[in-house]
Amino acid sequence: AQSVTQLDSQVPVFEEAPVELRCNYSSSVSVYLFWYVQYPNQGLQLLLKYLSGSTLVKGINGFEAEFNKSQTSFHLRKPSVHISDTAEYFCAVRLTSYDKVIFGPGTSLSVIP
Amino acid sequence: DGGITQSPKYLFRKEGQNVTLSCEQNLNHDAMYWYRQDPGQGLRLIYYSQIVNDFQKGDIAEGYSVSREKKESFPLTVTSAQKNPTAFYLCASSIPPDGNTIYFGEGSWLTVV
Repeated sequence: AQSVTQLDSQVPVFEEAPVELRCNYSSSVSVYLFWYVQYPNQGLQLLLKYLSGSTLVKGINGFEAEFNKSQTSFHLRKPSVHISDTAEYFCAVRLTSYDKVIFGPGTSLSVIP
Repeated sequence: DGGITQSPKYLFRKEGQNVTLSCEQNLNHDAMYWYRQDPGQGLRLIYYSQIVNDFQKGDIAEGYSVSREKKESFPLTVTSAQKNPTAFYLCASSIPPDGNTIYFGEGSWLTVV
């Protein structure tokens, strides 16, 4: 069965510092990979997605992620965070042949002024 | 504007009562989903529907029921059989088979007292 692991439940980081949020998945077949962001009491918004092609994916708000098939990872990065980046971040996988999406437990990013 | 509308945003109910959460989308998406979100557990799939008049159980369907009589509507009923119904509920939609992006509503908070 597929699963998604987000290794850090909480990540505090100072404003303008770089950040990496880690995501690992397990699957015996090819998958699509996603990162979503959730602000308090709101739904989820798509940050970026990997479907195929280049393993480095750029998304909105200056975020990017790199797909590493050998390590089954899809880590999210931003070179310089802002206060407004404080939110919950979810990694997700979807089987290419199904429409079911599996979410990780989330990482709470807190940006410290 | 196109989007997913969930109502009500906040709902309080007494234990033992059934409650129905509304989800309407005007994105013309075929697939719709219901997720439950609890702190530290990410999102768990309750039910999903890929076409009208058809739906499948997700990972935690017990104590819940859905219907899909219209393409744009996918209401979720939380029955008295659900042992711990207090949670944040998220409705989402996408376009299969290439529904790589799932779009979310703003969510509904259900508190059972």
